Amino acid sequence: DADVTQTPRNRITKTGKRIMLECSQTKGHDRMYWYRQDPGLGLQLIYYSFDVKDINKGEISDGYSVSRQAQAKFSLSLESAIPNQTALYFCATNGQGYPDQETQYFGPGTRLLVL
Amino acid sequence: AQRVTQPEKLLSVFKGAPVELKCNYSYSGSPELFWYVQYSRQRLQLLLRHISRESIKGFTADLNKGETSFHLKKPFAQEEDSAMYYCALRGAGGTSYGKLTFGQGTILTVHP
Repeated sequence: DADVTQTPRNRITKTGKRIMLECSQTKGHDRMYWYRQDPGLGLQLIYYSFDVKDINKGEISDGYSVSRQAQAKFSLSLESAIPNQTALYFCATNGQGYPDQETQYFGPGTRLLVL
Repeated sequence: AQRVTQPEKLLSVFKGAPVELKCNYSYSGSPELFWYVQYSRQRLQLLLRHISRESIKGFTADLNKGETSFHLKKPFAQEEDSAMYYCALRGAGGTSYGKLTFGQGTILTVHP
């Protein structure tokens, strides 16, 4: 679903570097999410936002920060990257009202490697 | 707190065999359960939701509140069913509303 895009798609960085992952959506949804996927751990929620002025921590927010620049954009930052943040990161959105409130739409993912 | 458990990381079956992917949950309220699927080189996408009581691609899932389970079943597996499957629970109220909690995922492989 090209309505949710993530940049970059792949990124290699070094320990201690600051990096930003970006997510944009054209679905007009208010709600946006950042997840990380690790083998054996599934998807874990990092941060979520229910509208532009709303930011909430998820299960594993330590070491991460987010910015909701506009309804369509939600960025995830790693202030000082560490190797155990190597993972696949997904952005997702959902709206209100049926069926969008019941369905999260995912981006293609960003594969991050921290050396 | 809400929790979703998928006890099988890997599941292998042969084409035409029945398949069941297990999902158990823990939630104090009335749960909303979903199955998401990720095919190779594709995005994670919704497969089905319990509230719709629908069959998608031959898959069904019944919410069993007594056993706190939401197992995904298909009577005759196909090779194109090979994928990663996630069970997810959405909180129905309060601060949990709208958030999904995912299980660890099960990789299903259907052999020819």
